[in-house]
Amino acid sequence: GAGVSQSPSNKVTEKGKDVELRCDPISGHTALYWYRQSLGQGLEFLIYFQGNSAPDKSGLPSDRFSAERTGGSVSTLTIQRTQQEDSAVYLCASSGFTGFPQETQYFGPGTRLLVL
Amino acid sequence: DAKTTQPTSMDCAEGRAANLPCNHSTISGNEYVYWYRQIHSQGPQYIIHGLKNNETNEMASLIITEDRKSSTLILPHATLRDTAVYYCIAADFGNEKLTFGTGTRLTIIP
Repeated sequence: GAGVSQSPSNKVTEKGKDVELRCDPISGHTALYWYRQSLGQGLEFLIYFQGNSAPDKSGLPSDRFSAERTGGSVSTLTIQRTQQEDSAVYLCASSGFTGFPQETQYFGPGTRLLVL
Repeated sequence: DAKTTQPTSMDCAEGRAANLPCNHSTISGNEYVYWYRQIHSQGPQYIIHGLKNNETNEMASLIITEDRKSSTLILPHATLRDTAVYYCIAADFGNEKLTFGTGTRLTIIP
């Protein structure tokens, strides 16, 4: 497709279960970002991948959160032992990062996660 | 990144120009001003960015004051589809992590 896609669009899970969220970036984009947005709040940066470099994980809120990017394309965000405070919209973005200036980030529609 | 301050909400009549202000008094010389918007239930959408010169594209115009401490996003002929939350972000050169505040909720009134 032409844009960033994410799946599932909605996920309801029980507290303590693990969830995996998927992001397909725009083809050819080397940079991929994960953010989350709690109800009524701004976006919170989680993690950033750029090419083959080590990811910037500085925004991950706890060790229950992890992310991978396989083959420089698709990314999976995993939340282990989910808690109710993990309920949010998880947004993925990609950009064709060339270094100067910061490239425009294109966002997917998000995955709405509800932890019961 | 420099902190930005925006009004919580604004209304604008359909067909009129919507002018959205943003204060970034602590912006540094390397920081660009970016504007994104988020329509309900969608991911954020890039609008425009600039460093110190005014910028215009097919969506909007960005006016940055000479001292760069504030800027204004202008939607020249607002339509109902422009109803969204608008985020003003000051992003450092080389900083890939956009820091979104709570933005301005713009409502276009028919």
